Formats: sequence, structure tokens, C-alpha cells
Amino acid sequence: SQTIHQWPATLVQPVGSPLSLECTVEGTSNPNLYWYRQAAGRGLQLLFYSVGIGQISSEVPQNLSASRPQDRQFILSSKKLLLSDSGFYLCAWIWTSGMNEQFFGPGTRLTVL
Amino acid sequence: GQNIDQPTEMTATEGAIVQINCTYQTSGFNGLFWYQQHAGEAPTFLSYNVLDGLEEKGRFSSFLSRSKGYSYLLLKELQMKDSASYLCAVRDLETGANNLFFGTGTRLTVIP
Repeated sequence: SQTIHQWPATLVQPVGSPLSLECTVEGTSNPNLYWYRQAAGRGLQLLFYSVGIGQISSEVPQNLSASRPQDRQFILSSKKLLLSDSGFYLCAWIWTSGMNEQFFGPGTRLTVL
Repeated sequence: GQNIDQPTEMTATEGAIVQINCTYQTSGFNGLFWYQQHAGEAPTFLSYNVLDGLEEKGRFSSFLSRSKGYSYLLLKELQMKDSASYLCAVRDLETGANNLFFGTGTRLTVIP
């Protein structure tokens, strides 16, 4: 069976500090991977997606970046956090064929103070 | 672009039936999804429609009309544990990579 992990589960960071959130998927190969952010009272916003190692597409301009150093690893980073970066960050995956739905990881709740 | 609308909040009584509507506008439509999200947790998949009609899965059913850009999620025999946000999402092939675009969600409160 497939599982998706995210860490840390919660994070409190000061404005201007760096960020690194990690997502890993087990039990599958060559998945499409996604990073979403859900701000308080708002919907899921797609930030980045990746169809393979080293391939990153950005959906919205921001001070965040993403990397995919391995097939089943997806990392979300920032050099300097803003207050507006606070939110619930969700990683998701889908097989590139044969499946329809995206499966979400448990999420990381980030608070920037 | 994509535009997805659903009501912000709904309240229903335990044991009753509730219908949550979703309207969408997208150029490369290739499927509509419903997810359930309890507070502080990740969304979990409920249903998928790509053709017109009703898909039934236990107490939950989902309907799609592509010509009207409309879907609804029907919850029967409501239970207290059904209190959650329900997210409507559409897949747009024109953006590639099976990307989903989500509405803001409908927060359902089930009362005794």
C-alpha cells in the first residue's frame, strides 16, 4: 500500500527565517507530486507540482520554492518567511496513470510570528 | 482559468439529508472530485464524476451535469461525524499534470 509522510507536523518560525518542509511517498514510483497551502478560512491553493525528478512547475508567484531531489521526495523551501506564509501546507500525490484522485499527506501547520 | 463556487456554510440535522452544490467554470474540464476535510486534518477523497449522472457510494452520492457546470454532493442519514468541510475540485487538463483546482469548501455542521 501507498503512504505519504510530511514533517514536521507543526512549526512556529519568526519572520525572515528560512523554511524547509519535506514530503515523502512510499509504495509507488514516478508519482506526480503537489504542494498546496490552505490559509485560515480559505481554499486549497496549488503552489507547485512536479512530474519527475528535478521538474518543478510553479502555479503562483511567491517567495517559496520547491525541489524534487528524488523520485518520491518533494521539498518546499523559503529563504525568508513572511507573515503571509502562515497556513496549513499539504503535500499530495497521484500515479501518472490509472488513478484519478490525489491523496494527501497529514499536513504541516506553519505559524510565522 | 478556473472558477469554482460553493456555499460557505450549511447546517443540517442528524438523520436528515443535505445537498451541497458546486458550480464551476473551466476550459479543460476532465473530472470533478469531492473531498471531506475535518478540522485540522488533510482532505480525504469521497467521490469522482467525469460523466453526467449520479454516482452512489453508501450514504454519499455525487451528481454531475457538464453542460450546466454543476455538481452536488448528497449526504443521507446524517451523522454527527459528518460535520466537516466538503471541498469541490475540478481537474483541468489544460494545466497539465492532473492538476486539481479547489473551491473554498462548504463547512457543514450537523446538529442533534
